[in-house]
Amino acid sequence: KQEVTQIPAALSVPEGENLVLNCSFTDSAIYNLQWFRQDPGKGLTSLLLIQSSQREQTSGRLNASLDKSSGRSTLYIAASQPGDSATYLCAFDRGSTLGRLYFGRGTQLTVWP
Amino acid sequence: EAEVAQSPRYKITEKSQAVAFWCDPISGHATLYWYRQILGQGLELLVQFQDESVVDDSQLPKDRFSAERLKGVDSTLKIQPAELGDSAMYLCASSLAGIEQYFGPGTRLTVT
Repeated sequence: KQEVTQIPAALSVPEGENLVLNCSFTDSAIYNLQWFRQDPGKGLTSLLLIQSSQREQTSGRLNASLDKSSGRSTLYIAASQPGDSATYLCAFDRGSTLGRLYFGRGTQLTVWP
Repeated sequence: EAEVAQSPRYKITEKSQAVAFWCDPISGHATLYWYRQILGQGLELLVQFQDESVVDDSQLPKDRFSAERLKGVDSTLKIQPAELGDSAMYLCASSLAGIEQYFGPGTRLTVT
């Protein structure tokens, strides 16, 4: 069974802090890794996709890295804002199954002003 | 910007009733996924289509759940009869080449 662990499960910080969210996986056959954001009661919004040949991706204040050898991915959020408050999910696929994603349970982030 | 559409957004039904959810993927996306998200848990893949064919339904409770994508475009997920444990968010996603998935807003199901 695929297993994805996200630490911490919840995080509450003041505005302006730089944050690191962690994702670890036991499957060595990981291919692509994707980070999503989910607002309460809503669907998922894709934030960053790290494809198999890549090690990191950046979008604005977000940076995600992937280290397959250690089974870890991190999402770095710079200068956090209250609007960043959401649940952040990581998920990976194995490449051979048409993109089936295996998800962690997410990190619930609260950024207070 | 193209989006995945789902309806209804919210559904309340009584135990033992039938319920159906609809998903319209981004135009041209051949791969369609249905996921279930129980509160506090991760997403679980229920069924995956490639065009009109089922690729993976290993986690679909087939005694009560069914899914179809007759013309390889939109899809319907049905539950009959609904049980209390089916209360969850049902999310549809689509993908062009099985790499990056785009999600719809979901259908929140409450079974009473």
